[in-house]
Amino acid sequence: SQKIEQNSEALNIQEGKTATLTCNYTNYSPAYLQWYRQDPGRGPVFLLLIRENEKEKRKERLKVTFDTTLKQSLFHITASQPADSATYLCALPYGNNRLAFGKGNQVVVIP
Amino acid sequence: GAGVSQSPSNKVTEKGKDVELRCDPISGHTALYWYRQSLGQGLEFLIYFQGNSAPDKSGLPSDRFSAERTGGSVSTLTIQRTQQEDSAVYLCASSLNPGGANTGELFFGEGSRLTVL
Repeated sequence: SQKIEQNSEALNIQEGKTATLTCNYTNYSPAYLQWYRQDPGRGPVFLLLIRENEKEKRKERLKVTFDTTLKQSLFHITASQPADSATYLCALPYGNNRLAFGKGNQVVVIP
Repeated sequence: GAGVSQSPSNKVTEKGKDVELRCDPISGHTALYWYRQSLGQGLEFLIYFQGNSAPDKSGLPSDRFSAERTGGSVSTLTIQRTQQEDSAVYLCASSLNPGGANTGELFFGEGSRLTVL
């Protein structure tokens, strides 16, 4: 199994700045890693998938890095907007096509 | 609809009662998952269905929990003799190609919030 660590403290950031979130994992390195967004009272929504042979992946204002040596993924939101306020979850595959999720890291973008 | 549908969205029950939660996955998705999310906690894997294969029940917390998936589509999660610690949001997700490098993402429903009094 995997232990996934995400910062439990909310990240408060000024609008326009870059928010950076960290996902650390133990044990084996997965073939890929995913990031999801979850708004209060809603189900998680898939954002990005990055494979173990990819150093970086981008989607619009989002950027994800994957360092298998450090066993870490960084999630960046550039030019943050109040609408980016949400909880962001990282997820790793394990076992038989299962996904293990971190507890998530809350982002609050201050106008 | 185009997304994963779950019902009921909210359920309040008394301790000791049985509850059934329903999930209607995206059409054509062969994989279906149930997760549980307690307040301030991460998603806890419960059970996984893939096509006609035997389900992976390794995450079910006790024998009071069971799930079935009929006809490879709709799934029902049943909790018997509910306890207060069962209170949580139960999330269902479906996937077209679980474990696939390109489309391994999960599509989640909005969840069923269960409160056991």
